[in-house]
Amino acid sequence: TQLLEQSPQFLSIQEGENLTVYCNSSSVFSSLQWYRQEPGEGPVLLVTVVTGGEVKKLKRLTFQFGDARKDSSLHITAAQPGDTGLYLCAPRTDSWGKLQFGAGTQVVVTP
Amino acid sequence: GAGVSQSPSNKVTEKGKDVELRCDPISGHTALYWYRQSLGQGLEFLIYFQGNSAPDKSGLPSDRFSAERTGGSVSTLTIQRTQQEDSAVYLCASSLGQGGQGEQYFGPGTRLTVT
Repeated sequence: TQLLEQSPQFLSIQEGENLTVYCNSSSVFSSLQWYRQEPGEGPVLLVTVVTGGEVKKLKRLTFQFGDARKDSSLHITAAQPGDTGLYLCAPRTDSWGKLQFGAGTQVVVTP
Repeated sequence: GAGVSQSPSNKVTEKGKDVELRCDPISGHTALYWYRQSLGQGLEFLIYFQGNSAPDKSGLPSDRFSAERTGGSVSTLTIQRTQQEDSAVYLCASSLGQGGQGEQYFGPGTRLTVT
C-alpha cells in the first residue's frame, strides 16, 4: 500500500472563510476521487479527476489533480455550515477500481 | 434506482458471539467492497469482490473475519467470536468495476457494538 497523506487532519473555520485541504503521495495514480462523509452516513462521491493538471469545479468547491498525478487539493470558497464533514481522497490502485482511502480531513464550519 | 443498502443498521452483541452483516449492492455493479471505520477515523479496507475473480482478502484483520458474495449480488460479512476491538461501523460499497473510473457508492453502514 502506497503512503497517502491528507492534511490538515482537522480544520475549524467560520462561515464565509475559504479553506484548502491536501492529499499527497509519492506514487502516481491513474485517477483519484474525493468523497465527503457526514456523521452517521456513508461517504458520498464528490468528483473524479483523471488528467494531470486537471481542475474541476463543483459550485464553491474546486478540485485540482497535480501535474504528476501524485497529489490533489480541494479548495472551498465561502464555506457554509453544510460543508461540514470528513473529506476523503481516494486514488485508484487497480484496473477494477480498488481505491486507497486517506485518513481524511475533518472540516467544521461554524455559523 | 435504489442505492446500496445494508442491514442491520445497528447491532449490539456480546463478546464471543458471531455476527453477520448484509450488503445489497446497486444492481449491475460487479465490484463490491467492505470497509471498517472506527470512531473519527478513515476507512480501513477489508475485502473486495470483482466479478467472478477470487476476492481480494488482503485487508481482513484476522481469520475471524470472512465474507461471501452469492450470485454476484448480495454479500455477507461474518465476524466470528467477536471481540470488543471489532466495534466499529462497517461500510459496504459497490462500483461498476472494469470500465468505470472506480467511483464507489456507499451504503449507510452497520454500527457494530461488542459488549
